[in-house]
Amino acid sequence: DTGVSQDPRHKITKRGQNVTFRCDPISEHNRLYWYRQTLGQGPEFLTYFQNEAQLEKSRLLSDRFSAERPKGSFSTLEIQRTEQGDSAMYLCASTPLADGELFFGEGSRLTVL
Amino acid sequence: AQKITQTQPGMFVQEKEAVTLDCTYDTSDPSYGLFWYKQPSSGEMIFLIYQGSYDQQNATEGRYSLNFQKARKSANLVISASQLGDSAMYFCAMRVANQGGKLIFGQGTELSVKP
Repeated sequence: DTGVSQDPRHKITKRGQNVTFRCDPISEHNRLYWYRQTLGQGPEFLTYFQNEAQLEKSRLLSDRFSAERPKGSFSTLEIQRTEQGDSAMYLCASTPLADGELFFGEGSRLTVL
Repeated sequence: AQKITQTQPGMFVQEKEAVTLDCTYDTSDPSYGLFWYKQPSSGEMIFLIYQGSYDQQNATEGRYSLNFQKARKSANLVISASQLGDSAMYFCAMRVANQGGKLIFGQGTELSVKP
């Protein structure tokens, strides 16, 4: 399968712990996006990369959140000192073009107890 | 500010009938694109259809068509001949030119198809 892959699919953690999510985009897609989706809501933009450069961060991305795409291929999203309000689905998407369709992964669901 | 509004939290439709899901948008930029995505319970967002702001014709993709009314700033999705597998969340989204390609999503409409 050559779609967008996210890992882990589900993560349960205790408040205060750090968690990291990984996204493997479709090969040669140079744009990669992270979104957060809470229950009953549409996805909200967090950040995006053009190759390894992080070009925009939403104000939703507090200083406890950090995203990287070190070699312009896979990306990681780390949340430090998790809070219950961080419980959500974290979606990754990639595209080869600035105005192209976004291809989404199946998401990583985070539950903070 | 750019915004997408979906006013129907939930919709029911009988199998084989057509259904319209509403979407209105707000932007002052003349160049934008409108998307519809389907999200089944598995979580993956599945692209359905796209309409560019300068497109003269309404977009169609199989059983999906987009009723684009630019003056009203609406981009409703029409699903013809509904199938049980169409039961899912449906999201309308907008991308504005020169904004990094990111999509702004509405709150979604949950469609249930009844046999």
